[in-house]
Amino acid sequence: DAEITQSPRHKITETGRQVTLACHQTWNHNNMFWYRQDLGHGLRLIHYSYGVQDTNKGEVSDGYSVSRSNTEDLPLTLESAASSQTSVYFCASSESTQLTDTQYFGPGTRLTVL
Amino acid sequence: GQNIDQPTEMTATEGAIVQINCTYQTSGFNGLFWYQQHAGEAPTFLSYNVLDGLEEKGRFSSFLSRSKGYSYLLLKELQMKDSASYLCAVRPTGFQKLVFGTGTRLLVSP
Repeated sequence: DAEITQSPRHKITETGRQVTLACHQTWNHNNMFWYRQDLGHGLRLIHYSYGVQDTNKGEVSDGYSVSRSNTEDLPLTLESAASSQTSVYFCASSESTQLTDTQYFGPGTRLTVL
Repeated sequence: GQNIDQPTEMTATEGAIVQINCTYQTSGFNGLFWYQQHAGEAPTFLSYNVLDGLEEKGRFSSFLSRSKGYSYLLLKELQMKDSASYLCAVRPTGFQKLVFGTGTRLLVSP
């Protein structure tokens, strides 16, 4: 069955370290998204991609970067982790051909920055 | 700008009906989505509205009024497993990305 996976599921790191969160989907979807979810803020878009070599900034992109070298993967990198980046991170993907296309979410990564 | 408002929390009794409202003000409109999210899990798709009116899917229905910038999710015959957060999201015109509200936490009691 097609799916979307994230790794690691839990990560503890220290302030200033570089961290990369992986996202892999097997639906062959063109669109991929990274969100963070915090109490009181809901899901906020960090970065998104509409295809290979395409990346775009979302509403909370400072301190994060992504690259899209193939259809299946969109890794999220925290260049220098900060305590404010402690959050739950969700990756999502969707087709791009229909208005009704919904986003399918991965299981999430809980990141703690100490 | 984009603004989506939902109540923070609601409570209801097993077997009852509950309506969760969502109002939005966005730079464009290309559809409204409802997602369900159980604690510690990923959001899962419930419904989609792009035209005015009611969409029914089993125990769940979703309504949209574009002129009022308003939607609601109606849950009938509530079950304990319906205790979850319900997220309203709008897709602005011309893009695939979604803008999410902060979600409504629904607690269903026996």
